[in-house]
Amino acid sequence: DTAVSQTPKYLVTQMGNDKSIKCEQNLGHDTMYWYKQDSKKFLKIMFSYNNKELIINETVPNRFSPKSPDKAHLNLHINSLELGDSAVYFCASSQEFGGYTDTQYFGPGTRLTVL
Amino acid sequence: DAKTTQPTSMDCAEGRAANLPCNHSTISGNEYVYWYRQIHSQGPQYIIHGLKNNETNEMASLIITEDRKSSTLILPHATLRDTAVYYCIVRESSGGSNYKLTFGKGTLLTVNP
Repeated sequence: DTAVSQTPKYLVTQMGNDKSIKCEQNLGHDTMYWYKQDSKKFLKIMFSYNNKELIINETVPNRFSPKSPDKAHLNLHINSLELGDSAVYFCASSQEFGGYTDTQYFGPGTRLTVL
Repeated sequence: DAKTTQPTSMDCAEGRAANLPCNHSTISGNEYVYWYRQIHSQGPQYIIHGLKNNETNEMASLIITEDRKSSTLILPHATLRDTAVYYCIVRESSGGSNYKLTFGKGTLLTVNP
């Protein structure tokens, strides 16, 4: 079984559209994350949720809205997509937030292309 | 910005040990050093972490200098599948007791046949 899964794997859409990316983890972890990896391959954290509560919000535009219906899911909704949103988005999870051993497990990524 | 400095790229012959250096001269006394890697088109993968003692697991060994200002990740017998970008990370505070992993540019390790 896949530990951290994301859907879809690829997403191609037009500017101005609204889209969602889903993430699920079956590791029983309390904390989930969204990262963005741009064309220059820099991987940056966007959000972190612990027990369904937002912990980290790294100056991400308001068009990005994470939603955590339960501890096992963290979805990312993006409104009014822009060309600069094209990137690979990774979901991750860890056992606890801020602990000394909060090893993060990453999903396979969602490649978003905005045309 | 990341608190670590790594070489941009390294080469290693298949079957030989790969030694990846990392400088973290501003590390604080209670901050751990983490290593992750990212194989092309995949999500990052945790390798190992340590505080001040050397650590070993099934994937690699981590050697941390006594002053903790640098460390070396060792892959004892590199294979072609170990070709990846390797990230050395010192966690950063994101406010209060919250921490985050800040990924730098990493080292592209190419294992050659």
